[in-house]
Amino acid sequence: DIQMTQSPSSLSASVGDRVTVTCRASQSISTYLNWYQQKVGKAPKLLIYGAKNLKNGVPSRFSGSGSGTEFTLTISSLQPEDFATYYCQQSYSNPMYTFGQGTKLEI
Amino acid sequence: QVQLQESGPGLVKPSQTLSLTCTVSGGSISSGFHYWSWIRQPAGKGLEWIGRIYGSGNTNYNPSFESRVDISADTSKNQFTLKLSSVTAADTALYYCASGSFDSSGYFHFDYWGQGTLVTVSS
Repeated sequence: DIQMTQSPSSLSASVGDRVTVTCRASQSISTYLNWYQQKVGKAPKLLIYGAKNLKNGVPSRFSGSGSGTEFTLTISSLQPEDFATYYCQQSYSNPMYTFGQGTKLEI
Repeated sequence: QVQLQESGPGLVKPSQTLSLTCTVSGGSISSGFHYWSWIRQPAGKGLEWIGRIYGSGNTNYNPSFESRVDISADTSKNQFTLKLSSVTAADTALYYCASGSFDSSGYFHFDYWGQGTLVTVSS
């Protein structure tokens, strides 16, 4: 299985901050990397697919980058509604999809 | 817009079979475009893909579950069902059904999710 490791596991930040979350794959996954946002008590929502493609309707303050084994999710200016847990997920090993353990973004 | 809704018992005894149904609206489970998955999340932990069904009943499973999982579909009801046998306390989790698809670039992603249903394994 391809293991996905996120860092940090949790992160404290303030409204307006620029925040970066990192996801590393145990082997190269090209750009087959998605990012999801999960708020407490809710299902995950797709933010970014193919490492850098923003899903329609997702605010442009979210961006993704990377390829191979290292990827980042950046929020350029944190808004109150962005406090949530973020997961990366690889789709390179189709269909054995795996997720990172999550990064909890806290105020 | 595709919508998914999980249903099933919230409490299952150890060694028994967990059975959950996902009812889909806004899309056909036999379309071949969507891939219908089950994903679970133990309390305070991350997400784990269990398996999926697509097209005319094709299935793929996470090897970690392969010996005790079965996913089937009822096209007349536009539903798909998860059965997980020989459950233990480790199977206690929030279970989601989700719809995934490939885009024009070949990237697969989970587009729509149910709200999740909590299953507790306990005697």
